[in-house]
Amino acid sequence: ETGVTQSPTHLIKTRGQQVTLRCSSQSGHNTVSWYQQALGQGPQFIFQYYREEENGRGNFPPRFSGLQFPNYSSELNVNALELDDSALYLCASSLDLAGVTDTQYFGPGTRLTVL
Amino acid sequence: AQSVSQHNHHVILSEAASLELGCNYSYGGTVNLFWYVQYPGQHLQLLLKYFSGDPLVKGIKGFEAEFIKSKFSFNLRKPSVQWSDTAEYFCAVISGGSNYKLTFGKGTLLTVNP
Repeated sequence: ETGVTQSPTHLIKTRGQQVTLRCSSQSGHNTVSWYQQALGQGPQFIFQYYREEENGRGNFPPRFSGLQFPNYSSELNVNALELDDSALYLCASSLDLAGVTDTQYFGPGTRLTVL
Repeated sequence: AQSVSQHNHHVILSEAASLELGCNYSYGGTVNLFWYVQYPGQHLQLLLKYFSGDPLVKGIKGFEAEFIKSKFSFNLRKPSVQWSDTAEYFCAVISGGSNYKLTFGKGTLLTVNP
């Protein structure tokens, strides 16, 4: 296990609704990244937070937003859900800015289904 | 924009066979390269990584990968696979131009038959 937890495990929503997914990073990890993994695809980078500020963003619209809290927890919020948002959402934490020298530790993911 | 290609969608081997999974990336500058593995029912976890130095990188469970800059490749190898290696394998890259964005390939499902 990686020490990164996510909740809930599964979630079903309808189109147009809003959803909040939660992640708890390893203690001391200042960076959290969120990824979307559609069926049969590799994870796609949504955004990264470092010390509670957004540090970078992938090709996702503004209705995808996030928060990172001082207690090493974070949230991914998605507004106005669309059918294509159905996917596994992964969070990953790392000690410092990911990709320089540090490893990203992934959580088990939240499976979101939009009907 | 950086991209990663994994050539094989599904590889099926018998135990003790040798493994090589292909990975090519598109970025021409400095890159950091990774292989992640996802065993059935488990978290995505790091298998090995290349940042600099020796282009032959050794990871956990007997896996290794070779960075060939001229071919933009980072292929994963194991001389003798085991049934427990059945998993999905993802190649990923972080380029020098976007040091926070990990770009993954689509993954290769490896099935090892006993």
